[in-house]
Amino acid sequence: QKEVEQDPGPLSVPEGAIVSLNCTYSNSAFQYFMWYRQYSRKGPELLMYTYSSGNKEDGRFTAQVDKSSKYISLFIRDSQPSDSATYLCAMMGYGGSQGNLIFGKGTKLSVKP
Amino acid sequence: SAVISQKPSRDICQRGTSLTIQCQVDSQVTMMFWYRQQPGQSLTLIATANQGSEATYESGFVIDKFPISRPNLTFSTLTVSNMSPEDSSIYLCSVVHPGTETQYFGPGTRLLVL
Repeated sequence: QKEVEQDPGPLSVPEGAIVSLNCTYSNSAFQYFMWYRQYSRKGPELLMYTYSSGNKEDGRFTAQVDKSSKYISLFIRDSQPSDSATYLCAMMGYGGSQGNLIFGKGTKLSVKP
Repeated sequence: SAVISQKPSRDICQRGTSLTIQCQVDSQVTMMFWYRQQPGQSLTLIATANQGSEATYESGFVIDKFPISRPNLTFSTLTVSNMSPEDSSIYLCSVVHPGTETQYFGPGTRLLVL
């Protein structure tokens, strides 16, 4: 079992739809959870960062962490064509190497006008 | 957030040759890292570039294959040595934003080995 599982998609939705992106993980030591957005031929861009369980909202984006289920989600409201990108979840453990982010494979999202 | 640049942005190389990738940050950072993103795979940490000392490599990566330099707090290089087609990948540097746990990535270097 991989440490982080993420459905690669592709996921195609109409403009204005609510998008739900998810990752599951197996390592209970993970405490820091991030979502990155990666446009084609660009580096990953940090979207959301959460510590431990709970929800965090930033504009149209909501990140949710459920540590009991080892499950994290990213919700995008009122999706726009400009949201079309690959979304990567990433996580790391408390007290572990600051560098060692463990990534999912990414979900490719396409928002159709 | 820090502005990170990488050179070259892409390259096509012959097997058996080496390529050095540069990473430049617009501010001093303590933590700098090198990742690999192979097609259809997760980003994988290659090593932590330590300023003034040898890099710390992750399991499966060795200094002879991926020598790293970190001469100061704003610059690092990664060399991919004796390349084979399996080294075709995107190579990314990242830095930790001071005072946080968050990492920011450069634009990446796209390498194709023939």
